[in-house]
Order: sequence, then C-alpha cells, then structure tokens
Amino acid sequence: EDQVTQSPEALRLQEGESSSLNCSYTVSGLRGLFWYRQDPGKGPEFLFTLYSAGEEKEKERLKATLTKKESFLHITAPKPEDSATYLCAVQAWGSNFGNEKLTFGTGTRLTIIP
Amino acid sequence: DAGVIQSPRHEVTEMGQEVTLRCKPISGHDYLFWYRQTMMRGLELLIYFNNNVPIDDSGMPEDRFSAKMPNASFSTLKIQPSEPRDSAVYFCASSLNSRALFFGSGTQLSVL
Repeated sequence: EDQVTQSPEALRLQEGESSSLNCSYTVSGLRGLFWYRQDPGKGPEFLFTLYSAGEEKEKERLKATLTKKESFLHITAPKPEDSATYLCAVQAWGSNFGNEKLTFGTGTRLTIIP
Repeated sequence: DAGVIQSPRHEVTEMGQEVTLRCKPISGHDYLFWYRQTMMRGLELLIYFNNNVPIDDSGMPEDRFSAKMPNASFSTLKIQPSEPRDSAVYFCASSLNSRALFFGSGTQLSVL
C-alpha cells in the first residue's frame, strides 16, 4: 500500500525565515510526486510534479526536490501570503488499474508571521 | 477556463436524508476523481472515472455511497441514507491523461 508521511505537521516562521517541508513516501514504483497548496475553505491548488530522483522545480519562493525516498519543499524568504497547508501526493505504477490515483499525505500547516 | 465546478458549496441535512453532490470537470479532461477530506484522515479517494467509466471504487465506504458520470461534463456523488459520520468536505477533481489533478472548491457536508 502506498504511504505518504509529511513533517512537520505545523510550522511557524518569521517573514523572511527560510525553511523546508518534508514528504517521505513508500510506493511500489513512483510514477509522479505532486505538491499542492491548500488555503482554508478552498480546494488544493497544484504547484509541482516531480518524476525522477534528482529533479527540481521552482516557482517564485518555492523549490521542490526529489530523492528515491523523499521530497522537500524549500521556501526561501517567505511572506505572509505563503501561509497555507502544503500537501504532498504520490502516483504509483501499479497493476492493470489504479495507476492514475493520487495518495495524499496529511499536510504541513505553514504560518508566516509578519 | 472556469475550472472544476462543484455544487452546492454547503449542504446541511438530517440523518437519513439523501444527499446529492454535483461536479462539472474542466472541459477536455478525461479523468474525474471524488475525494473526501476530514481532519482525522486527510484526503481520501472515493472513486474515479476515465472517459465516464468507473475505474476504481474501492474507496467508497459502503453501499450508501454511489457515483455516476452520465457524460463527460457532469458527475454526481450520492449518499443515501446519510449519517453524521459522513460529515466532511467532498472534493471533485479532474485531470488530462492522468497527470496533475485540478480540484474544485469542495462541498462542505454536515449531517445532523
């Protein structure tokens, strides 16, 4: 069974204080690893997809990296508007069906203090 | 593009009543997913469709839940009868070629 574990559960940072969020995963064969941002009362918003170890993707103050066992979401000089819950999800190669579904972690709730 | 559209945004009902949630996926997307989100369990996949055909419904909790996709632009998730433990946020998402999922704003369901 595919498993995704995110840490920490919650993180409070001062504005401008850089940090990283962790996503550890166990899958039979990784098809893709996804990062989403979720604001209160809204649906998850797609950020990145990573497909192979060593791959990196960047968007504004966010950079996602991938190894064979985990992914990191690095946030550089965050601003209050970066406050949200960040979700990690994996898509695995399976048997004849079920390859398309995403298995989500429970997220990291990030708060940036002005 | 309008994105994935879900209705209603909020639903409050009494135990035993039938509840129907609706979803319009992004035009041209060939996959549609129904997820449920709770504080305790996070996002859980209920069922997903490919080209209107159900592919995996192993996440559907029990026979009280059913989902249909009569055409490429519409899907419903029905709960009958509803129970208090069904209270959650229900999300619909769609994707093209089974890549990144794009989510709707969700339906907040409260069963009293």
